[in-house]
Amino acid sequence: QKEVEQNSGPLSVPEGAIASLNCTYSDRGSQSFFWYRQYSGKSPELIMSIYSNGDKEDGRFTAQLNKASQYVSLLIRDSQPSDSATYLCAVILYSSASKIIFGSGTRLSIRP
Amino acid sequence: DAGVIQSPRHEVTEMGQEVTLRCKPISGHDYLFWYRQTMMRGLELLIYFNNNVPIDDSGMPEDRFSAKMPNASFSTLKIQPSEPRDSAVYFCASSLVRAFDEQYFGPGTRLTVT
Repeated sequence: QKEVEQNSGPLSVPEGAIASLNCTYSDRGSQSFFWYRQYSGKSPELIMSIYSNGDKEDGRFTAQLNKASQYVSLLIRDSQPSDSATYLCAVILYSSASKIIFGSGTRLSIRP
Repeated sequence: DAGVIQSPRHEVTEMGQEVTLRCKPISGHDYLFWYRQTMMRGLELLIYFNNNVPIDDSGMPEDRFSAKMPNASFSTLKIQPSEPRDSAVYFCASSLVRAFDEQYFGPGTRLTVT
């Protein structure tokens, strides 16, 4: 089992709809969770961070965390063509040696 | 601020040659990270520094890889000798206070080893 799993996609969503991206992780000690957006040929860009159970909203983006079920999700409302990118989930475990694990990413395509 | 600066942006070299990648973090950031991204393995952390001191290099794949941070504004990742399987995009990132939080990535160096 991979430490951080994401559906590779592509996930195709019509413009204006809600895009839902999911990520599961295996280590219950994980403490911090991030969503990065990566356009093709570009570097990852942080768009959301979440640390406690529940929802966190920032503009059109909502991150949801459920530590009991070990998943974190990202909702994008009113999807725009500019949202077409690969979304990387990152999980951080703080212990004697902190580490960050990235998922393989979900490719999102917004169709006009 | 200019953001994280990496050089070169592209590097093509032959197997066996030494490769040096360079990074200038955002001024004032305490943490610097080196990552490698491939289609097969995704984005992997290689090593990270805090205040110029290497904290965790467990992600460095082999002894052929080494990284240094001689001062707060410069770091290098060296591969010697290089092999075709080292072909990847190498990213440098920095963060301000806490390790891994709000990392800012550089544009990356695309390395091709033939």
